[in-house]
Amino acid sequence: EVQLVESGGGLVKPGGSLRLSCVASGFTFSGYTMNWVRQAPGQALEWVSSIRGRTTDIYYADSVKGRFTISRDNAKNSLFLQMNSLRAEDTAVYYCARLHYDSSGYYFYDSWGQGTLVTV
Amino acid sequence: DIQMTQSPSSLSASVGDRVTITCRASQSISSYLNWYQQKPGKAPKLLIYAASRLQSGVPSRFSGSGSGTDFTLTISSLQPEDFTTYYCQQSYSSPMYTFGQGTKLEI
Repeated sequence: EVQLVESGGGLVKPGGSLRLSCVASGFTFSGYTMNWVRQAPGQALEWVSSIRGRTTDIYYADSVKGRFTISRDNAKNSLFLQMNSLRAEDTAVYYCARLHYDSSGYYFYDSWGQGTLVTV
Repeated sequence: DIQMTQSPSSLSASVGDRVTITCRASQSISSYLNWYQQKPGKAPKLLIYAASRLQSGVPSRFSGSGSGTDFTLTISSLQPEDFTTYYCQQSYSSPMYTFGQGTKLEI
């Protein structure tokens, strides 16, 4: 069974930092692009960042570029999000999500963690 | 960036009703459209991908259609557990797979 478990959220002051973690199990972690998606209170889902499985390809939303850093440790089946210079508008539940695709090349997030709340 | 617009933002219905939620993309995305269901305090759950393909384990009362810019999610006979929030997502423009603003389905 695929499992994603986030941790590291909490209360931080504006300008502060937090590091989120997501531990994966039940699949070959290094074979998948992993993502962070956030959801501000009462708001829609927002893609934050992605990191490919075995390459150094990394992407960020404009809203976090230069402040957040995504990384992974394939040996420990772990995904990370280092968040610096946090702002009130970064307050959200942060989910890690696995990007999967079918044989026709259609992509979707098929597995999600339970989320971790970051309050700035 | 591709913008996704859902309508309506909220919808009232009754158990047993047939309902349709619409999602429109700001440019053509072929069939690269996913639908998720999210219950309060929980992570989103994939319902449909590639506009019309039902994810394994999802009840057959859920169906999706559309291509290009206009898409629909239909629930053929609402069950009590279906009253929650639904999001569309485009998976055409990698890696920024943007979501719609959500549709809240209320009793």
